[in-house]
Amino acid sequence: GAGVSQSPSNKVTEKGKDVELRCDPISGHTALYWYRQRLGQGLEFLIYFQGNSAPDKSGLPSDRFSAERTGESVSTLTIQRTQQEDSAVYLCASSRRETQYFGPGTRLLVL
Amino acid sequence: SQELEQSPQSLIVQEGKNLTINCTSSKTLYGLYWYKQKYGEGLIFLMMLQKGGEEKSHEKITAKLDEKKQQSSLHITASQPSHAGIYLCGADGIRGSTLGRLYFGRGTQLTVWP
Repeated sequence: GAGVSQSPSNKVTEKGKDVELRCDPISGHTALYWYRQRLGQGLEFLIYFQGNSAPDKSGLPSDRFSAERTGESVSTLTIQRTQQEDSAVYLCASSRRETQYFGPGTRLLVL
Repeated sequence: SQELEQSPQSLIVQEGKNLTINCTSSKTLYGLYWYKQKYGEGLIFLMMLQKGGEEKSHEKITAKLDEKKQQSSLHITASQPSHAGIYLCGADGIRGSTLGRLYFGRGTQLTVWP
C-alpha cells in the first residue's frame, strides 16, 4: 500500500514568513510523529499524536511551532515567523504498533 | 545530550567487504530500530530488536542486540554499492517515560566503492 507522504518536497521561504508542512500517514496508523533533521545533526523529536489523546508536544523548540492532526488522518506542522535556524528536513512518521514508517521529508530553507 | 552513540561516524569500504556499525546506550534499550537513509529521502525501516541476545537478518544485513540490551550492531556481509547511505539507530523507552517517540543516534555514513 501507499507509504507516508509529505508535501511540499522542498520549501524555500524568507525569514519571518509562516510555513505549513503537510503529512499524510499510512491508512490505519493511529500514531503520527514529526521529527526535524538539521544539517550534521541527528533527528530531533518534535511532536507525537496518538489517536484522540492529547499530543505530546514536549519536543517543539518554541511557541512558533505548532501542529494539528484531524482524527487519524492528515497532520500539518506550522512554523510561524521562520528563522534561519529552522532550516532543516522535516520528517513525518506513522505507526500502527511499534515500528515507525517515515515519509520522504520536506526540505525547508529559510533565507 | 545525545542518548545513543553510533560508531563509526563514517565508513568507506570496498565492494565485497564486510562491515559493522555499532550503537551504544548508557541505559537499557526497550526497543532498538535500525533505519537506512539515502540523501534526499526519508528513513527506510530495516529491523527492530527487543529481546536481549536477539538477532535478525534480512538479505545480507544482520542486526544484533546484546544480552544487557545496551548495545546493538549492524553487520553487512559482502557489501555492495546499493548498501551506501546513512544508517541510523533509534530507540524508545530510554527515559522510561513517554511512549512512542524515538531517540536517534547521529548516524553512520557508509560509502561503498566498486
